[in-house]
Amino acid sequence: GAGVSQSPRYKVAKRGQDVALRCDPISGHVSLFWYQQALGQGPEFLTYFQNEAQLDKSGLPSDRFFAERPEGSVSTLKIQRTQQEDSAVYLCASSLFRGVRYEQYFGPGTRLTVT
Amino acid sequence: SQQGEEDPQALSIQEGENATMNCSYKTSINNLQWYRQNSGRGLVHLILIRSNEREKHSGRLRVTLDTSKKSSSLLITASRAADTASYFCATDAEQGGSEKLVFGKGTKLTVNP
Repeated sequence: GAGVSQSPRYKVAKRGQDVALRCDPISGHVSLFWYQQALGQGPEFLTYFQNEAQLDKSGLPSDRFFAERPEGSVSTLKIQRTQQEDSAVYLCASSLFRGVRYEQYFGPGTRLTVT
Repeated sequence: SQQGEEDPQALSIQEGENATMNCSYKTSINNLQWYRQNSGRGLVHLILIRSNEREKHSGRLRVTLDTSKKSSSLLITASRAADTASYFCATDAEQGGSEKLVFGKGTKLTVNP
């Protein structure tokens, strides 16, 4: 049984470049979450999808961040004009049902380094 | 911003000893969860305790929740070197309908063989 997968695992971008991070959730999982984890910190919520609907994007730090899940499965987090402060690990998680009382399964993350 | 605060920030023990980590949070919650993160790996869910529960066990893990003090503790008994990891508590908001988890900064546990 495949878990949540993310690609690429590592990404180095020059400041100002656009990046796209991919998340493949567990098949059939309704909910999908993106979190940002800075070094030495806990994950911080970015955005949440229920199927293809983006229900909460309150954690996106700026309008340079954009996420989509057009068919309710794979999701992409796009960061435009990357800045050094965007350097972090980006974690994707999925959950079988709607609601936080259900366990979230996390992927290994994409480590983004902006130089 | 992060809601939870784990205490201590770092803990080093010998194999076989018990490890206790504490978490405090700020707002009312529906549930509190504990996650483990090994170096270079994703987060792994350990245990979920609902706001109307006071204690829960899972194998060598014991979690307590005191909603009046807005705090929780995670006890790992008979620790093993493989328990070396960072441990995070995560809470959900009782109101607002948000599905997100709010994580603390974590406790870094080192179990020495």
